[in-house]
Amino acid sequence: LAKTTQPISMDSYEGQEVNITCSHNNIATNDYITWYQQFPSQGPRFIIQGYKTKVTNEVASLFIPADRKSSTLSLPRVSLSDTAVYYCLVGDRSGGYNKLIFGAGTRLAVHP
Amino acid sequence: DVKVTQSSRYLVKRTGEKVFLECVQDMDHENMFWYRQDPGLGLRLIYFSYDVKMKEKGDIPEGYSVSREKKERFSLILESASTNQTSMYLCASSFKFREGANEQYFGPGTRLTVT
Repeated sequence: LAKTTQPISMDSYEGQEVNITCSHNNIATNDYITWYQQFPSQGPRFIIQGYKTKVTNEVASLFIPADRKSSTLSLPRVSLSDTAVYYCLVGDRSGGYNKLIFGAGTRLAVHP
Repeated sequence: DVKVTQSSRYLVKRTGEKVFLECVQDMDHENMFWYRQDPGLGLRLIYFSYDVKMKEKGDIPEGYSVSREKKERFSLILESASTNQTSMYLCASSFKFREGANEQYFGPGTRLTVT
């Protein structure tokens, strides 16, 4: 099972770009990298997913280098409402059951 | 929109009681999951199910059981609740793995307190 490592916490200010890097040295060939966001007292919410290179959607970008041993979630121009915990996960396809392993996440605090 | 609902947002039970937590999803997902979340420990997988009447143990199944009699419903059972099972319980569902589509959808969570 591929394990992920990410910073415990980060601080930023409104309007700045935030980059959260995650390492996953043991990622398997078929694994996807997925990021979730969680607000207090809510379930996690899917943000973005990728396999290699760069993926962009309306809320974030995901950069994955060629060796896929790390990935970086980029949040452009954060606002106070982006204060949350961000989880980096590597999809475990053992048995095809889509089992994901959640780590402790990165607690992002956005300040005015 | 995908909807995953959980039977209660808050629940208080006594030690030794049998506790049922229900989860329902409306997207015809094959997979369903139960997690618990505790401060500093992130989300930990208790059980998951990939089909009706099928179940697999996650990382921390001790003290729990599950039931999936219908595709849309996945129940978590605490046979004899203990204080160390006080936690936030989260249910999730997803399609079977598809290329680039292993997103899990989570419910709002049930905060269970065992006294």
